[in-house]
Amino acid sequence: AQKITQTQPGMFVQEKEAVTLDCTYDTSDQSYGLFWYKQPSSGEMIFLIYQGSYDEQNATEGRYSLNFQKARKSANLVISASQLGDSAMYFCAMREFFQGAQKLVFGQGTRLTINP
Amino acid sequence: EAGVAQSPRYKIIEKRQSVAFWCNPISGHATLYWYQQILGQGPKLLIQFQNNGVVDDSQLPKDRFSAERLKGVDSTLKIQPAKLEDSAVYLCASSLAGWEDMIFGAGTRLSVL
Repeated sequence: AQKITQTQPGMFVQEKEAVTLDCTYDTSDQSYGLFWYKQPSSGEMIFLIYQGSYDEQNATEGRYSLNFQKARKSANLVISASQLGDSAMYFCAMREFFQGAQKLVFGQGTRLTINP
Repeated sequence: EAGVAQSPRYKIIEKRQSVAFWCNPISGHATLYWYQQILGQGPKLLIQFQNNGVVDDSQLPKDRFSAERLKGVDSTLKIQPAKLEDSAVYLCASSLAGWEDMIFGAGTRLSVL
């Protein structure tokens, strides 16, 4: 079963607009963590933001914020005032326990293109 | 600070050949990860080291893949023999305390023909 679902294969947004990238997750754990990573064409994965399952407030990091809706099991990434440099693949990931060890499970990703 | 170094950046081989990838993590990072990222998918963990011991290798195809981290610093991932489905980007990452501070390298893109 898919643990992390990103339903938007591609998104196209005008520069300076806000954009929301969707992520839903599936877990029976009470304690888990959710991450967003950016992967530019150069290939490296860049950590953007983290939300713990017990965190009461939505995480924010500069222009990035995470819209965490625990009951709906969603953890959408919001990028405000998008820039051309935001064009990249974006991955949602979840930390969970599996067979006695912690694992980081990634979604399929969303390709974001910012148009000038 | 220097990032996670990986080499080579690109490798093209024929099926049934062998290949090795090298990773040098950030100095002081005890945990090292190897991920496989097939085109159009998110990364999948192959193996995780804590210092020079294996923490998790449950998704490593052990009949053809092997990895070592001698002296708890740099690491080598080997595929022998390679199959067409091994074509992917192999990402190395390291962390000091956990996933919140995990830093990825630029990856090695492997094409198996």
